[in-house]
Amino acid sequence: AQTVTQSQPEMSVQEAETVTLSCTYDTSESDYYLFWYKQPPSRQMILVIRQEAYKQQNATENRFSVNFQKAAKSFSLKISDSQLGDAAMYFCAYRQGAQKLVFGQGTRLTINP
Amino acid sequence: DTGVSQNPRHKITKRGQNVTFRCDPISEHNRLYWYRQTLGQGPEFLTYFQNEAQLEKSRLLSDRFSAERPKGSFSTLEIQRTEQGDSAMYLCASTDRGWPSGKDEQYFGPGTRLTVT
Repeated sequence: AQTVTQSQPEMSVQEAETVTLSCTYDTSESDYYLFWYKQPPSRQMILVIRQEAYKQQNATENRFSVNFQKAAKSFSLKISDSQLGDAAMYFCAYRQGAQKLVFGQGTRLTINP
Repeated sequence: DTGVSQNPRHKITKRGQNVTFRCDPISEHNRLYWYRQTLGQGPEFLTYFQNEAQLEKSRLLSDRFSAERPKGSFSTLEIQRTEQGDSAMYLCASTDRGWPSGKDEQYFGPGTRLTVT
């Protein structure tokens, strides 16, 4: 079974600085998708960024980028120029095909003004 | 596009009672997923539907849990004889495209928070 591990329960960063959230996963499949989701306090889960495993190029979305290391099964999220609105729980997730999402335990990100 | 909606948003019930939650997916989304999220944890998959067919059920979904999507639109999740361990946030998500396009994104609802006393 696929598993996703986030080893940082909490992270904090100064506003306008850069922070990297870590994620590792385990799978025997070669074709899959990886995601970072953001869950603000008492608000619903929203997709931050996605990465297709067959793509070598790391995905970027404005201030958000990933470092996808397929051989190492590592998928970290970098947030540049951190903003107060980035404070949330961040979940790394794996999906094969159109199947269910498998989530990590989450990292709580605090932005210090 | 009004997003995924879930009702009720909060439910407090006594142990042993039955509860039912509803999820309305984004219009015309053919896949619908249920997840359970306990405090401080990531969501865990419960079950999913393609149209009205329930295609997969997690082992987390005990006999006390049942889900339906009768006309391939909204879905209900019922928990019978609730236990304190059922206290959690129940999340619903929907998506509009299936394999092999792979370009589907699961849109999540706000969740139903269940407290069993």
